[in-house]
Amino acid sequence: EAGVTQSPTHLIKTRGQQVTLRCSPISGHTSVYWYQQALGLGLQFLLWYDEGEERNRGNFPPRFSGRQFPNYSSELNVNALELEDSALYLCASSLGARQPQHFGDGTRLSIL
Amino acid sequence: GENVEQHPSTLSVQEGDSAVIKCTYSDSASNYFPWYKQELGKRPQLIIDIRSNVGEKKDQRIAVTLNKTAKHFSLHITETQPEDSAVYFCAAIRGNQFYFGTGTSLTVIP
Repeated sequence: EAGVTQSPTHLIKTRGQQVTLRCSPISGHTSVYWYQQALGLGLQFLLWYDEGEERNRGNFPPRFSGRQFPNYSSELNVNALELEDSALYLCASSLGARQPQHFGDGTRLSIL
Repeated sequence: GENVEQHPSTLSVQEGDSAVIKCTYSDSASNYFPWYKQELGKRPQLIIDIRSNVGEKKDQRIAVTLNKTAKHFSLHITETQPEDSAVYFCAAIRGNQFYFGTGTSLTVIP
């Protein structure tokens, strides 16, 4: 069974640019979660999508947004990039809320 | 909102000894508590989880205990091995709310 896949693995951007990160969940999983992990820090919850709808978002500004497609894959968009957006962005999927989340390898985003 | 505190932030143990990591949470409605292990440069992996209707769960050398009254839960690793060295994260989940602890860096010294 294929796990959660994310692309790209690495990205380098400059301040003010926009970026799109992609995530494919495990087959059969309808929930997709996005987390930000800054260097040396814990996981900060960004967004949760289930059945194509945004179910909840963490304490992040509106320039962090995303969507979930009919095939349950998801995109995370970040506009007007700032230096502090440099982090590992992790996607996870699950069968639903309060079900084990399985993580992808993440996208390492560096802002210059 | 929920607040999850995790202690200690770093932990070193001799191979074969036990390791205990503790998390406290503030929202009494939290009802699902997973633990993740993240090795350097790798994805977090679920190692064990517990739901609020259970007080303890064990899987080989790993166990988790939950005290709902005191609102804390702990990860216990017995007979530690060098490959247990990693960062461990706890989480408290309630409905559509997901909160992770800040992580514990565990080093097992051979």
